[in-house]
Amino acid sequence: DTEVTQTPKHLVMGMTNKKSLKCEQHMGHRAMYWYKQKAKKPPELMFVYSYEKLSINESVPSRFSPECPNSSLLNLHLHALQPEDSALYLCASSQDRGYYRVGELFFGEGSRLTVL
Amino acid sequence: GENVEQHPSTLSVQEGDSAVIKCTYSDSASNYFPWYKQELGKGPQLIIDIRSNVGEKKDQRIAVTLNKTAKHFSLHITETQPEDSAVYFCAASKGDGSSNTGKLIFGQGTTLQVKP
Repeated sequence: DTEVTQTPKHLVMGMTNKKSLKCEQHMGHRAMYWYKQKAKKPPELMFVYSYEKLSINESVPSRFSPECPNSSLLNLHLHALQPEDSALYLCASSQDRGYYRVGELFFGEGSRLTVL
Repeated sequence: GENVEQHPSTLSVQEGDSAVIKCTYSDSASNYFPWYKQELGKGPQLIIDIRSNVGEKKDQRIAVTLNKTAKHFSLHITETQPEDSAVYFCAASKGDGSSNTGKLIFGQGTTLQVKP
């Protein structure tokens, strides 16, 4: 079982809805990530939080709004999405490995989003 | 920026045979090379990784080799079993100098099918 928990597992929303995806980890990791994955494609990085501060935003449209309330939680707020935003949204976390060393990413099972 | 190419895109082997997946990267500053396995309906899971100060690493039936001069690395699975069937992603990363959250650049993935 993954140690990164994502809810909900499935979400169907209309283009005018507002919804949120949630992610939680209790491994003491200080970096948390949102990835988007389309079918038969690799994960694409969206956002990275390091020590609860946004450190990387991969030019993601503003209809996706990340939030890191504390070191264990990561949210992704969704508003006015488009059908092409339908995808698997993966949360991941990694431990602080120190300067110039990237740590192992632990992925959650993902939230499958369908935008009608 | 970094680019990672992965081959083959699909691979079918008989149970008990070996499987080899190859990746090449473009940025010579990359220093971390993980391999992820993604089963249907699940998030990617790290199976093995290697850093640029090591040429080879082995974990039971799985091994990874790295050739820094040629900028390529390979995943070797011996004595394949049906449960090895999944999508495998290679990735490359480097420390970004400001934090431990270096970006992972994924290859396009290889769908491995192990026939009983």
